[in-house]
Amino acid sequence: GDSVTQMEGPVTLSEEAFLTINCTYTATGYPSLFWYVQYPGEGLQLLLKATKADDKGSNKGFEATYRKETTSFHLEKGSVQVSDSAVYFCALSDEYSGGGADGLTFGKGTHLIIQP
Amino acid sequence: NAGVTQTPKFRILKIGQSMTLQCTQDMNHNYMYWYRQDPGMGLKLIYYSVGAGITDKGEVPNGYNVSRSTTEDFPLRLELAAPSQTSVYFCASSYGQGGGQPQHFGDGTRLSIL
Repeated sequence: GDSVTQMEGPVTLSEEAFLTINCTYTATGYPSLFWYVQYPGEGLQLLLKATKADDKGSNKGFEATYRKETTSFHLEKGSVQVSDSAVYFCALSDEYSGGGADGLTFGKGTHLIIQP
Repeated sequence: NAGVTQTPKFRILKIGQSMTLQCTQDMNHNYMYWYRQDPGMGLKLIYYSVGAGITDKGEVPNGYNVSRSTTEDFPLRLELAAPSQTSVYFCASSYGQGGGQPQHFGDGTRLSIL
């Protein structure tokens, strides 16, 4: 079945540091890939997405490129802020995995802590 | 913009009690989902629905039931609460499944079974 693996946290960085959160996936079909962010006490919010190989999703200074050859979708940001502290989830949607709307497959989440 | 609304936000149940977690969306989405989130485990799909009157099991359906009588509402029922059901529950909706359609999430219901 489909799966998503992302780096374990917590990841602690200083403000203005460069961020990379690794994400790799396995899928039986042709998945769409997503990054969601969860702030404390809130639900998940879509951060960015990519639907085919070599697509780059971007939002709020975050970027991720759909790399089919390495089955990866790493999240990057050039200069993080304290307000970026949250839990980040990598996820995939594989519409060809077996039919039906069987939801998103999530990684376990990476807790990011940005210190001033 | 209400989006996806979940009630209640918090609840404590005793073992063996039953309750219904409410979820409603105002975006006219056909697809709706229930997930549970356990610490360090990501989100797991409990049930989903592709439209009114149609529901199906996800990865972890045991101990839960759902119904979808309208496009807007997708309640989740726990019949006999067990400690293993202590979790945070998220309802989500989407316009479709293919083409990278994102899911929109509610703020969650934090449920403790004691």
